[in-house]
Amino acid sequence: NAGVTQTPKFRILKIGQSMTLQCTQDMNHNYMYWYRQDPGMGLKLIYYSVGAGITDKGEVPNGYNVSRSTTEDFPLRLELAAPSQTSVYFCASSYSNRGTTDTQYFGPGTRLTVL
Amino acid sequence: KQEVTQIPAALSVPEGENLVLNCSFTDSAIYNLQWFRQDPGKGLTSLLLIQSSQREQTSGRLNASLDKSSGRSTLYIAASQPGDSATYLCAPRTGSQGNLIFGKGTKLSVKP
Repeated sequence: NAGVTQTPKFRILKIGQSMTLQCTQDMNHNYMYWYRQDPGMGLKLIYYSVGAGITDKGEVPNGYNVSRSTTEDFPLRLELAAPSQTSVYFCASSYSNRGTTDTQYFGPGTRLTVL
Repeated sequence: KQEVTQIPAALSVPEGENLVLNCSFTDSAIYNLQWFRQDPGKGLTSLLLIQSSQREQTSGRLNASLDKSSGRSTLYIAASQPGDSATYLCAPRTGSQGNLIFGKGTKLSVKP
């Protein structure tokens, strides 16, 4: 099992550019999440998905979009990149059933800089 | 709104010491709580998951306790080693969507 994989590892964007951060999990988890981590701060939830075709906003969704067409993939789209989106982005997944949620597994992260 | 505080923010100890990392949270209605370690420039590695009905969990030299009613969890590391140096994050799960609320972490340095 590869677990949760993310691409790219690093990216530099210019203000106003767009990009998609890729996330794939091979554990057949139904729940997937996108977090961002700013220096010295805790991780904050951007978007999450409870299954294919179902997504919802987290704490800091502005400037981002997601889709979940398959169980395995949960891409995060940045439209019109801004310097405030400079951060490290983590994708995570877990299995949840009847109100219980198992261990959440994280990918290695994507370090994004917007100049 | 759930808020998570981790004390201390940083800790430096000599190798071999037993140590305790503290985590407090404001909303006691949690489903579970996870402890993670994060190495510099790396992702998060799950250490322990405690369900809300449990009081503690153990894995090797690590022991995590949970007192849900008082909003506290502690991570006990026995016989610390230089390889334990990392940032330790506490994250309770609050809410049906399953996302975790993170503290800012405790940065641990174990000196040989």
